Amino acid sequence: ETGVTQSPTHLIKTRGQQVTLRCSSQSGHNTVSWYQQALGQGPQFIFQYYREEENGRGNFPPRFSGLQFPNYSSELNVNALELDDSALYLCASGRAHMNTEAFFGQGTRLTVV
Amino acid sequence: GDSVTQMEGPVTLSEEAFLTINCTYTATGYPSLFWYVQYPGEGLQLLLKATKADDKGSNKGFEATYRKETTSFHLEKGSVQVSDSAVYFCALEDSNYQLIWGAGTKLIIKP
Repeated sequence: ETGVTQSPTHLIKTRGQQVTLRCSSQSGHNTVSWYQQALGQGPQFIFQYYREEENGRGNFPPRFSGLQFPNYSSELNVNALELDDSALYLCASGRAHMNTEAFFGQGTRLTVV
Repeated sequence: GDSVTQMEGPVTLSEEAFLTINCTYTATGYPSLFWYVQYPGEGLQLLLKATKADDKGSNKGFEATYRKETTSFHLEKGSVQVSDSAVYFCALEDSNYQLIWGAGTKLIIKP
């Protein structure tokens, strides 16, 4: 049990729709990172938030956006969904500049049809 | 850019066998290195880490040594159990404190 919870656990959306995924960070953590894990692949870094601002971004288009709230919970929003967006989305919470201490949630399995 | 390469799976072993999962990396500087494990239906868990050359990380009978000369961080365990069946990921922390991951190696242990 890591203390990081994600919701929903599974989701099915239609191409072109928008989706919001949620993450509650572990107590005492002030950063949250989001990763996309395609089937059979390692996680790919999407972005990280620290003090409610984006603090680093991977190679993902602007239709992937996020929010971090004062209580350090976070959202990942994806607009104009594409079939290739189907993946497991992982949230990891940690302390600033210490991704070595990151704890992962169980993930949200998104299927785009 | 930085990258991590690990051996392809699945790796299938009998219980009590010796395990090695190879991991090599390419990076500027000397990144911290990690092994994460993903059990079926669960999220990623940090298994062990090493932050500098020649460091040995260890946990739950697993160990890995940071080898700068061969840019490797191979995971080993002397006697595996069925409960070790999972997907194992090697990762490094880049200069922006972001994790760069290998593709994962599925380990299957048969009784």
